[in-house]
Amino acid sequence: EAEVAQSPRYKITEKSQAVAFWCDPISGHATLYWYRQILGQGPELLVQFQDESVVDDSQLPKDRFSAERLKGVDSTLKIQPAELGDSAMYLCASSCGQGNEKLFFGSGTQLSVL
Amino acid sequence: AQTVTQSQPEMSVQEAETVTLSCTYDTSESDYYLFWYKQPPSRQMILVIRQEAYKQQNATENRFSVNFQKAAKSFSLKISDSQLGDAAMYFCATMDSNYQLIWGAGTKLIIKP
Repeated sequence: EAEVAQSPRYKITEKSQAVAFWCDPISGHATLYWYRQILGQGPELLVQFQDESVVDDSQLPKDRFSAERLKGVDSTLKIQPAELGDSAMYLCASSCGQGNEKLFFGSGTQLSVL
Repeated sequence: AQTVTQSQPEMSVQEAETVTLSCTYDTSESDYYLFWYKQPPSRQMILVIRQEAYKQQNATENRFSVNFQKAAKSFSLKISDSQLGDAAMYFCATMDSNYQLIWGAGTKLIIKP
């Protein structure tokens, strides 16, 4: 069965360093989401893409976070500089496209900022 | 704004017994979807069951079923014949008109052997 791929699985970094996470959605999935999940809470949407276009990035802290999906396939989420409060699980999800309610999630990247 | 409330931070059940997890939500949408996701220690979100609000019939998936009360905006999950592998965080969510999930805070389910 096709899966959403994310890497790395774990990332430890020091405060003020730059980090990047990668996501490869299921082939053919037009919609891609990045979520941040703090331990003990539900996920929070950071950014939503439809193909290569950003649909919603209203919750993305744009002073330090950036996200791109240049060819409308895989996506990269970057944090620069990382802060202690960025420690969380970063989840990527994809769906066939607008109008499809079924999201498939990757295994996530667990970020620890020291 | 849409909200989802899970009032039970933690629930425990004896293996093979039945447990019900509660969820209430608030939405201004006339048509929407409701979901229960499971997140085991591996942290990958797994869809357990989904319900289309315009359908009156409660969704079922094997040992998992929902009690959907649209007027009360309630969407509880019943797990029958609980198994050790059911131990996880369970999240209730609704989907807004932009196809974005609005999540509850989660309920930790403990299965006692």
